[in-house]
Amino acid sequence: QKEVEQNSGPLSVPEGAIASLNCTYSDRGSQSFFWYRQYSGKSPELIMSIYSNGDKEDGRFTAQLNKASQYVSLLIRDSQPSDSATYLCAVTRVGDFGNEKLTFGTGTRLTIIP
Amino acid sequence: KAGVTQTPRYLIKTRGQQVTLSCSPISGHRSVSWYQQTPGQGLQFLFEYFSETQRNKGNFPGRFSGRQFSNSRSEMNVSTLELGDSALYLCASSPRGQGNTIYFGEGSWLTVV
Repeated sequence: QKEVEQNSGPLSVPEGAIASLNCTYSDRGSQSFFWYRQYSGKSPELIMSIYSNGDKEDGRFTAQLNKASQYVSLLIRDSQPSDSATYLCAVTRVGDFGNEKLTFGTGTRLTIIP
Repeated sequence: KAGVTQTPRYLIKTRGQQVTLSCSPISGHRSVSWYQQTPGQGLQFLFEYFSETQRNKGNFPGRFSGRQFSNSRSEMNVSTLELGDSALYLCASSPRGQGNTIYFGEGSWLTVV
């Protein structure tokens, strides 16, 4: 089982609709969860971080965490063409040296259709 | 505040050669992580350095190595380059480690021919 799993997509969503991106992780001890956005040819940039169960909202973005189900999601409301990108889920777990180690999923490619 | 700076941005090397990539973290950040990104494998973690000590390591062969200097700047080295090493190498920094938000540089595009 992969440490962090995402549906690779592509996921196509009409402009103005809600885009829902999902991520599951394997380590029950994971503490920190992140969503990054990566445009083609660019480096990843942070969208959201979430550390406790429940929802966290920031503008059009909502991150949802359910540690019991080992599931984290990202909702994008009122999707815009500029949201078209690859979204990377990242999760920490304790590494071999006893420190937190960040692992990324392979990403979900999102396309917003005008 | 200046972001994470990586040099060089683009480079072409021949199989068997070695390469050194450099990363200057955001001022005040003590943790520097390195990732390799390829279309097939996604973002793969190489290693993390904190205060000049390697703190985490990914599953890469010994040809991949790194170090961090007292000013938190970091370098990674790949020896005996193989075609499969062609990738985008990303450096990321954070104040205290990978449990906090990490901020990526623009990356170094390496092509091995």
